[in-house]
Amino acid sequence: TQLLEQSPQFLSIQEGENLTVYCNSSSVFSSLQWYRQEPGEGPVLLVTVVTGGEVKKLKRLTFQFGDARKDSSLHITAAQTGDTGLYLCAGVPNSGYALNFGKGTSLLVTP
Amino acid sequence: NAGVTQTPKFRILKIGQSMTLQCTQDMNHNYMYWYRQDPGMGLKLIYYSVGAGITDKGEVPNGYNVSRSTTEDFPLRLELAAPSQTSVYFCASSDSRPGSYQPQHFGDGTRLSIL
Repeated sequence: TQLLEQSPQFLSIQEGENLTVYCNSSSVFSSLQWYRQEPGEGPVLLVTVVTGGEVKKLKRLTFQFGDARKDSSLHITAAQTGDTGLYLCAGVPNSGYALNFGKGTSLLVTP
Repeated sequence: NAGVTQTPKFRILKIGQSMTLQCTQDMNHNYMYWYRQDPGMGLKLIYYSVGAGITDKGEVPNGYNVSRSTTEDFPLRLELAAPSQTSVYFCASSDSRPGSYQPQHFGDGTRLSIL
């Protein structure tokens, strides 16, 4: 199993602040997905990044895939309370059928 | 639009009991997955299926069994429940294998406690 390390594990910020969470591995992935999970629900896909160096924007969320396809970051601008949740990155290996999930970053945005 | 439906939502079992976690999807997806999520540990793949009649082990299959007799249903069986199987179980489905832009669609989970 190719390991994905996410940091920080927990993050508590106030509304309006910016933040970045990281997803790192020593292995190369063919692509990487970011999911958000709210309490009592299953994860929901936010984005898939495929090309090394790729940057994707989803409103106030910016996702970047590292040039070597070993790491990724998620940047949130002007966080809102609705951004609260568990953010999971999942690496897609070059072969096989299993997504490799990181342990997640638990984000709390307070008013 | 039901998506992926899991039942039951909550269950408490005694050590040694058995039970089946049900999962059904209405999106005609070929790929289905069972994960367990422990606090602070992310999601770990238990079993997966690439189509009716085809199943294979994931990272943590011990103590579990699955079957896939139809495209829609993918039940997970615990034969002899152990405290280590206390977890939240998620079923997911996808239209294609990982590596595409297609997401895995998750159910809302079954919270299982073994006492």
